[in-house]
Amino acid sequence: DAGVIQSPRHEVTEMGQEVTLRCKPISGHDYLFWYRQTMMRGLELLIYFNNNVPIDDSGMPEDRFSAKMPNASFSTLKIQPSEPRDSAVYFCASSYNQGGYNSPLHFGNGTRLTVT
Amino acid sequence: AQSVAQPEDQVNVAEGNPLTVKCTYSVSGNPYLFWYVQYPNRGLQFLLKYITGDNLVKGSYGFEAEFNKSQTSFHLKKPSALVSDSALYFCASRQLTFGSGTQLTVLP
Repeated sequence: DAGVIQSPRHEVTEMGQEVTLRCKPISGHDYLFWYRQTMMRGLELLIYFNNNVPIDDSGMPEDRFSAKMPNASFSTLKIQPSEPRDSAVYFCASSYNQGGYNSPLHFGNGTRLTVT
Repeated sequence: AQSVAQPEDQVNVAEGNPLTVKCTYSVSGNPYLFWYVQYPNRGLQFLLKYITGDNLVKGSYGFEAEFNKSQTSFHLKKPSALVSDSALYFCASRQLTFGSGTQLTVLP
Protein backbone atom coordinates (compact mmCIF):
# COMPACT_ATOMS: atom_id res chain seq x y z
CA ASP A 1 0.00 0.00 0.00
CA ALA A 2 1.58 3.25 -1.17
CA GLY A 3 -0.56 5.43 1.04
CA VAL A 4 -2.17 8.69 0.00
CA ILE A 5 -0.12 10.34 -2.72
CA GLN A 6 -0.10 14.09 -3.23
CA SER A 7 1.60 16.10 -5.93
CA PRO A 8 3.44 18.32 -6.19
CA ARG A 9 5.21 18.41 -2.80
CA HIS A 10 6.08 22.06 -3.29
CA GLU A 11 4.51 24.71 -5.49
CA VAL A 12 5.68 28.28 -5.86
CA THR A 13 3.59 30.55 -8.02
CA GLU A 14 2.86 34.19 -8.60
CA MET A 15 -0.30 35.92 -7.53
CA GLY A 16 -3.03 35.55 -10.11
CA GLN A 17 -1.86 32.24 -11.48
CA GLU A 18 -3.92 29.06 -11.43
CA VAL A 19 -2.76 26.31 -9.09
CA THR A 20 -3.84 22.67 -9.21
CA LEU A 21 -3.09 20.25 -6.40
CA ARG A 22 -3.51 16.53 -6.94
CA CYS A 23 -4.34 13.58 -4.72
CA LYS A 24 -4.52 9.83 -5.15
CA PRO A 25 -6.32 8.20 -2.20
CA ILE A 26 -5.76 4.71 -0.89
CA SER A 27 -7.49 2.14 -3.05
CA GLY A 28 -10.83 1.04 -1.58
CA HIS A 29 -11.32 4.10 0.58
CA ASP A 30 -14.73 5.72 0.16
CA TYR A 31 -14.08 9.14 1.72
CA LEU A 32 -11.63 11.80 0.62
CA PHE A 33 -10.87 15.01 2.51
CA TRP A 34 -8.96 18.19 1.69
CA TYR A 35 -7.46 20.18 4.58
CA ARG A 36 -5.40 23.34 4.78
CA GLN A 37 -2.81 23.97 7.51
CA THR A 38 -1.45 27.37 8.48
CA MET A 39 0.22 28.68 11.60
CA MET A 40 -2.56 31.19 12.16
CA ARG A 41 -5.61 29.01 11.56
CA GLY A 42 -4.33 25.51 12.27
CA LEU A 43 -5.86 22.60 10.37
CA GLU A 44 -9.03 23.50 8.46
CA LEU A 45 -11.34 21.12 6.62
CA LEU A 46 -12.04 22.52 3.16
CA ILE A 47 -14.21 19.88 1.50
CA TYR A 48 -14.88 16.18 1.58
CA PHE A 49 -16.25 13.56 -0.79
CA ASN A 50 -18.06 10.28 -0.31
CA ASN A 51 -17.92 7.87 -3.24
CA ASN A 52 -16.68 10.73 -5.46
CA VAL A 53 -19.62 13.01 -4.55
CA PRO A 54 -18.94 16.26 -2.67
CA ILE A 55 -20.72 16.13 0.69
CA ASP A 56 -19.73 19.37 2.38
CA ASP A 57 -17.81 22.24 0.83
CA SER A 58 -18.65 24.81 3.50
CA GLY A 59 -14.99 25.08 4.41
CA MET A 60 -13.94 26.26 0.98
CA PRO A 61 -12.88 29.84 1.61
CA GLU A 62 -14.00 31.47 -1.62
CA ASP A 63 -15.22 30.84 -5.12
CA ARG A 64 -11.60 30.92 -6.19
CA PHE A 65 -11.31 27.43 -4.72
CA SER A 66 -12.81 24.38 -6.42
CA ALA A 67 -12.38 20.64 -5.96
CA LYS A 68 -13.27 17.67 -8.08
CA MET A 69 -13.16 13.92 -7.80
CA PRO A 70 -13.75 12.49 -11.28
CA ASN A 71 -13.15 8.92 -10.12
CA ALA A 72 -12.33 6.91 -7.02
CA SER A 73 -8.58 7.19 -7.51
CA PHE A 74 -8.08 10.88 -8.19
CA SER A 75 -9.00 14.29 -6.83
CA THR A 76 -7.90 17.85 -7.55
CA LEU A 77 -8.04 21.10 -5.62
CA LYS A 78 -7.78 24.16 -7.83
CA ILE A 79 -7.20 27.77 -6.89
CA GLN A 80 -7.87 30.36 -9.57
CA PRO A 81 -6.65 33.05 -9.27
CA SER A 82 -4.21 32.43 -6.45
CA GLU A 83 -3.41 35.05 -3.80
CA PRO A 84 -0.56 35.34 -1.26
CA ARG A 85 -2.97 34.53 1.59
CA ASP A 86 -3.53 31.12 0.03
CA SER A 87 0.01 30.16 1.02
CA ALA A 88 -0.29 27.11 3.25
CA VAL A 89 0.24 23.36 3.38
CA TYR A 90 -2.64 21.51 1.76
CA PHE A 91 -3.33 17.95 2.86
CA CYS A 92 -5.40 15.25 1.29
CA ALA A 93 -6.65 12.35 3.43
CA SER A 94 -8.76 9.29 2.80
CA SER A 95 -10.62 6.76 4.90
CA TYR A 96 -12.97 3.80 4.73
CA ASN A 97 -15.87 4.81 6.91
CA GLN A 98 -18.27 1.90 6.82
CA GLY A 99 -21.17 4.27 7.38
CA GLY A 100 -19.79 6.39 10.20
CA TYR A 101 -17.00 8.85 10.77
CA ASN A 102 -15.21 6.41 13.03
CA SER A 103 -12.26 5.26 10.99
CA PRO A 104 -8.79 6.79 11.07
CA LEU A 105 -7.76 9.22 8.39
CA HIS A 106 -4.75 8.42 6.23
CA PHE A 107 -2.96 11.61 5.26
CA GLY A 108 -0.68 12.38 2.37
CA ASN A 109 2.53 14.31 2.99
CA GLY A 110 0.96 17.53 1.78
CA THR A 111 1.64 20.19 -0.82
CA ARG A 112 3.39 23.30 0.42
CA LEU A 113 2.01 26.20 -1.62
CA THR A 114 3.73 29.55 -1.72
CA VAL A 115 2.07 32.39 -3.62
CA THR A 116 4.28 35.42 -4.16
CA ALA B 1 -21.44 23.50 17.02
CA GLN B 2 -18.85 20.77 17.25
CA SER B 3 -15.52 21.77 18.75
CA VAL B 4 -12.33 20.27 20.07
CA ALA B 5 -9.98 22.22 22.32
CA GLN B 6 -6.34 21.68 23.11
CA PRO B 7 -5.64 24.20 25.84
CA GLU B 8 -1.85 23.99 25.67
CA ASP B 9 0.06 25.18 22.62
CA GLN B 10 3.30 23.78 24.00
CA VAL B 11 4.17 21.00 26.44
CA ASN B 12 7.71 20.37 27.60
CA VAL B 13 8.70 17.25 29.50
CA ALA B 14 11.98 15.60 30.45
CA GLU B 15 12.89 12.30 28.84
CA GLY B 16 11.74 9.39 31.00
CA ASN B 17 9.00 11.39 32.70
CA PRO B 18 5.31 10.79 32.06
CA LEU B 19 3.62 13.06 29.55
CA THR B 20 0.06 14.30 29.16
CA VAL B 21 -1.39 16.25 26.25
CA LYS B 22 -4.83 17.59 27.00
CA CYS B 23 -7.97 17.56 24.86
CA THR B 24 -11.57 18.48 25.61
CA TYR B 25 -14.53 18.24 23.27
CA SER B 26 -17.97 19.68 22.76
CA VAL B 27 -19.81 17.37 20.40
CA SER B 28 -23.37 16.21 20.13
CA GLY B 29 -23.83 12.48 19.84
CA ASN B 30 -20.98 9.98 19.90
CA PRO B 31 -17.77 12.03 19.70
CA TYR B 32 -15.59 9.42 17.94
CA LEU B 33 -12.31 10.83 19.26
CA PHE B 34 -8.89 10.48 17.66
CA TRP B 35 -5.29 11.43 18.33
CA TYR B 36 -2.85 12.08 15.51
CA VAL B 37 0.84 12.98 15.48
CA GLN B 38 2.62 15.14 12.91
CA TYR B 39 6.35 15.16 12.35
CA PRO B 40 8.01 18.00 10.40
CA ASN B 41 7.18 18.11 6.70
CA ARG B 42 4.89 15.09 7.00
CA GLY B 43 1.17 14.42 7.09
CA LEU B 44 -0.67 13.49 10.25
CA GLN B 45 -0.37 9.91 11.45
CA PHE B 46 -3.04 8.06 13.42
CA LEU B 47 -2.17 7.15 17.02
CA LEU B 48 -5.38 5.90 18.62
CA LYS B 49 -9.13 6.29 18.75
CA TYR B 50 -12.09 5.99 21.07
CA ILE B 51 -15.35 4.86 19.50
CA THR B 52 -17.13 3.00 22.30
CA GLY B 53 -16.41 0.55 25.10
CA ASP B 54 -13.43 0.67 27.45
CA ASN B 55 -12.59 4.23 28.40
CA LEU B 56 -8.85 3.55 28.31
CA VAL B 57 -7.56 3.02 24.80
CA LYS B 58 -4.05 2.03 23.84
CA GLY B 59 -2.38 3.02 20.63
CA SER B 60 0.86 3.17 18.72
CA TYR B 61 4.31 3.87 20.21
CA GLY B 62 3.18 3.26 23.80
CA PHE B 63 0.60 6.04 23.86
CA GLU B 64 -2.76 5.72 25.56
CA ALA B 65 -5.74 7.97 26.16
CA GLU B 66 -8.61 8.01 28.61
CA PHE B 67 -12.11 8.96 27.58
CA ASN B 68 -13.89 10.84 30.38
CA LYS B 69 -17.49 11.56 29.52
CA SER B 70 -18.27 13.62 32.63
CA GLN B 71 -15.32 15.93 32.00
CA THR B 72 -15.68 15.73 28.20
CA SER B 73 -11.98 15.02 27.96
CA PHE B 74 -9.71 12.69 26.04
CA HIS B 75 -6.17 13.31 27.27
CA LEU B 76 -3.21 11.61 25.61
CA LYS B 77 -0.68 10.00 27.92
CA LYS B 78 2.55 8.06 27.91
CA PRO B 79 4.25 6.68 31.03
CA SER B 80 7.81 7.44 29.91
CA ALA B 81 8.56 10.06 27.26
CA LEU B 82 11.21 9.67 24.59
CA VAL B 83 13.05 12.44 22.76
CA SER B 84 11.65 10.93 19.55
CA ASP B 85 8.12 11.68 20.80
CA SER B 86 8.77 15.36 20.12
CA ALA B 87 6.19 16.36 17.52
CA LEU B 88 2.89 18.17 16.97
CA TYR B 89 -0.14 16.35 18.36
CA PHE B 90 -3.74 16.81 17.26
CA CYS B 91 -6.96 15.72 18.89
CA ALA B 92 -9.96 15.28 16.58
CA SER B 93 -13.63 14.45 16.73
CA ARG B 94 -14.84 12.23 13.92
CA GLN B 95 -12.91 13.36 10.87
CA LEU B 96 -14.29 16.82 10.63
CA THR B 97 -13.14 18.78 13.69
CA PHE B 98 -9.54 19.10 14.81
CA GLY B 99 -8.00 20.83 17.78
CA SER B 100 -5.40 23.53 17.30
CA GLY B 101 -2.51 21.20 18.02
CA THR B 102 -0.01 20.88 20.87
CA GLN B 103 3.72 20.97 20.27
CA LEU B 104 5.34 18.37 22.51
CA THR B 105 9.03 18.76 23.23
CA VAL B 106 10.81 16.04 25.15
CA LEU B 107 14.07 17.30 26.61
CA PRO B 108 17.04 14.93 26.91
